[in-house]
Amino acid sequence: AQSVTQLDSQVPVFEEAPVELRCNYSSSVSVYLFWYVQYPNQGLQLLLKYLSGSTLVESINGFEAEFNKSQTSFHLRKPSVHISDTAEYFCAVSLPYNQGGKLIFGQGTELSVKP
Amino acid sequence: KAGVTQTPRYLIKTRGQQVTLSCSPISGHRSVSWYQQTPGQGLQFLFEYFSETQRNKGNFPGRFSGRQFSNSRSEMNVSTLELGDSALYLCASSLGLAGGRSTDTQYFGPGTRLTVL
Repeated sequence: AQSVTQLDSQVPVFEEAPVELRCNYSSSVSVYLFWYVQYPNQGLQLLLKYLSGSTLVESINGFEAEFNKSQTSFHLRKPSVHISDTAEYFCAVSLPYNQGGKLIFGQGTELSVKP
Repeated sequence: KAGVTQTPRYLIKTRGQQVTLSCSPISGHRSVSWYQQTPGQGLQFLFEYFSETQRNKGNFPGRFSGRQFSNSRSEMNVSTLELGDSALYLCASSLGLAGGRSTDTQYFGPGTRLTVL
């Protein structure tokens, strides 16, 4: 079975400081990896994804994540956060459709950026 | 392109009633998935429809059902509502590649917040 563990439920950080949100996964088959962000009272927005190729993926708003197969991790980082980054972040893995085709989510990390 | 839309956005029901939620996918997307989000259980997969057929199903009781229409719009129905069904129900659409390759990315709607009293 597949599972996703987000190691921190809450991460408080000051504005302009760097941040890392940690994500580990477990799977006996190849999976695709995603980070989604959820702002208050909204749905999930795709932040970035790893499907294949370069293990470092970037989003348009300065976040990046690195796929590490040996450590089964997909940590999310940003060198300098803004107040507007305050949200809940979800790491997820996707199975192939012939094995269920669903997203399996971690429990979420609440990022709180303070001025 | 317009994003995934869900109606209604908020719903209040009482125990024992039934409810139907609607989801319109991104134009051209043929796969629609439904997820339940609660503070205790997090995000859990309900089911996925592709070309009007349920292709995958999560571990939810039979009170939760869905369907997909020929225009890819989907509805989710919950019968005999229980207090524990209070949640944010999220719909996600994707291209829905057939043949077992999952390079699709799922795009989510804003959700329907269901409160059961």
